[in-house]
Amino acid sequence: EIVMTQSPATLSVSPGERATLSCRASQSVSSNLAWYQQKPGQAPRLLIYGASTRATGIPARFSGSGSETEFTLTISSLQSEDFAVYYCQQYNEWYTFGQGTNLDIK
Amino acid sequence: QVQLQESGPGLVKPSETLSLTCTVSGVPINNYYWSWIRQPPGKELEFIGYIHYSGGTNYNPSLKSRVTISVDTSKNQFSLKLASVTAADTAVYHCAREVYGSFNNWGQGTLVTVSS
Repeated sequence: EIVMTQSPATLSVSPGERATLSCRASQSVSSNLAWYQQKPGQAPRLLIYGASTRATGIPARFSGSGSETEFTLTISSLQSEDFAVYYCQQYNEWYTFGQGTNLDIK
Repeated sequence: QVQLQESGPGLVKPSETLSLTCTVSGVPINNYYWSWIRQPPGKELEFIGYIHYSGGTNYNPSLKSRVTISVDTSKNQFSLKLASVTAADTAVYHCAREVYGSFNNWGQGTLVTVSS
């Protein structure tokens, strides 16, 4: 099973600043990686697929990069609605998720 | 607008069968792959399995012996059955639509607690 490890577990950032979230795969997943945002009591929302393609309706401040085993989600200028938990997911070999990064207000 | 909604009992006794239904609106179920994903308290998301509208299924090997996913195209619904549950199966269960590996739409999730 491919293990996805996200860091940090919690990231505290001020509104308007940049946030950088990391995701590492235990073996290569090529570009078969997605990012999701989840707020309390809500369904996860797809942000990025194919490591770097924004899903429909996702603002341009969200960007994804990386390939093989190292991936990054960057939020260029944090808005109040961006504070949430973020998950990465690989779909190169079956489907596995990271444990999440909690992005909170500094 | 695609919407998914889970329904079913929130409490199941140990050794019994967990049964959930996902009702899909905004898109015919006669396309795509339809999945179940769960999240135990304090743990990461775990993929359970998927079904194609044609009836083809694929299950997480760790759960395969206990899982059945079925589809009812006439009602635009698909369902999950998980047999012989234990406390370790306590989780929020989500249904989702898969498109080329990622999950484009999710239900809000329903908490199922396994307890006597």
